[in-house]
Parts: sequence; C-alpha cells; structure tokens
Amino acid sequence: AQKITQTQPGMFVQEKEAVTLDCTYDTSDPSYGLFWYKQPSSGEMIFLIYQGSYDQQNATEGRYSLNFQKARKSANLVISASQLGDSAMYFCAMLTGNQFYFGTGTSLTVIP
Amino acid sequence: DTGVSQDPRHKITKRGQNVTFRCDPISEHNRLYWYRQTLGQGPEFLTYFQNEAQLEKSRLLSDRFSAERPKGSFSTLEIQRTEQGDSAMYLCASSGLAHNEQFFGPGTRLTVL
Repeated sequence: AQKITQTQPGMFVQEKEAVTLDCTYDTSDPSYGLFWYKQPSSGEMIFLIYQGSYDQQNATEGRYSLNFQKARKSANLVISASQLGDSAMYFCAMLTGNQFYFGTGTSLTVIP
Repeated sequence: DTGVSQDPRHKITKRGQNVTFRCDPISEHNRLYWYRQTLGQGPEFLTYFQNEAQLEKSRLLSDRFSAERPKGSFSTLEIQRTEQGDSAMYLCASSGLAHNEQFFGPGTRLTVL
C-alpha cells in the first residue's frame, strides 16, 4: 500500500524561529519522489521542495529544507526563520509510478 | 503564459445533472493531473495524462467520472449524474519532463445541491 502520514494536525511557531513538520511515507517501490506543498487560506497549492529517492543530499530551497531519512522513511520539512506569511496548510506528497499521494496536512500558525 | 488555469472557478449544480470542467496547463508541460480535495483533507489523485494518453486512473474513481485531453493540451473532467458527495474542489496540475515542476491551478469548487 502507498501511504503518506502527517501526524501533526496543527503546529504553532514563534516568528523568526525554526519549525519542523513531520512526514512519513510507505512504499515498496525503490524509485519515488517526495514533495512539500503550501496551501494558504486562498486555496492555491504552492510547490515548495522536492527530494528524489536516489538523491544523496537533502534538498534545500531558500528557507525550506527537507530532512530525508530513507531508512526511517521520513521526509520532514524544516522551515527556518519563520515569517507571518508562512501561516498555511502544508502537505507532504509522494510520487510513485504515475500517481501522487498526499497526506492530510499540517496547519502551521506563525505567532508574532 | 501565466500558469495553469481552470474554468469555471465555481459551479453550483443540482443532484443528477452533468458538469464539465476545463483545465489549461502551462503550454510546454506534457503531463497533466486531476485531483479532488475536500475540506480538511489533502488532494486525492484522480487521473494522469501524458500528452493525450490517459496513463493512470484512480481505482477509487467512479464510472461517472471521465477525463479527456484530446490534443495533448487542455483537458476536461466530466462528472455525470452528480451526487452530493461529489461536492469538492477539483484541482488540475501540470508538469514538464521532471515531476518536481508540478504547478497547480486555482481549482474549480463544485457544490451539488
């Protein structure tokens, strides 16, 4: 079975602090991709970061980094120096074969 | 080209009616995806096209749902005999050769009365 699990329904972080959003995945395929998306209250899905299963190094995109631990099947998103505009829903997703599987999301609130 | 567009943005229909949504991907993208998202949930994969070929369709998808991409450019998603449970946001996304380029449209919000 293919599955993405996000165990944190809601998270709070102080502005300028770092926060980690958890994601674990389950697949028997050796080739897969892991993604994080941001969905603000306006509804659009915004691509943040991607990690391929064969990538040796953790992906980074500006203030976003993906902590990829293949043996533990985890792909946590780290947001450094949180900003008020980071308040949104965050979805972890996995691509395997031709299908995408999304988690249930984590709602992040940045406190001034 | 400013991104993926979807039309209409909102659709209200009565139960039993048919509805059709359109998605225009980013012009150079050959991959196109349809998703459904209900409140408080992540997007649920519906179907995938590479150019005009429909290569993947979710087993959860009812036979009332059909999608086309006749010329490998825009795509349509049709729902026949709509039910109240079909009420959701329908999202379209496109990507190029690398799946990590996936970009989403603004979605079509369907309300079935």
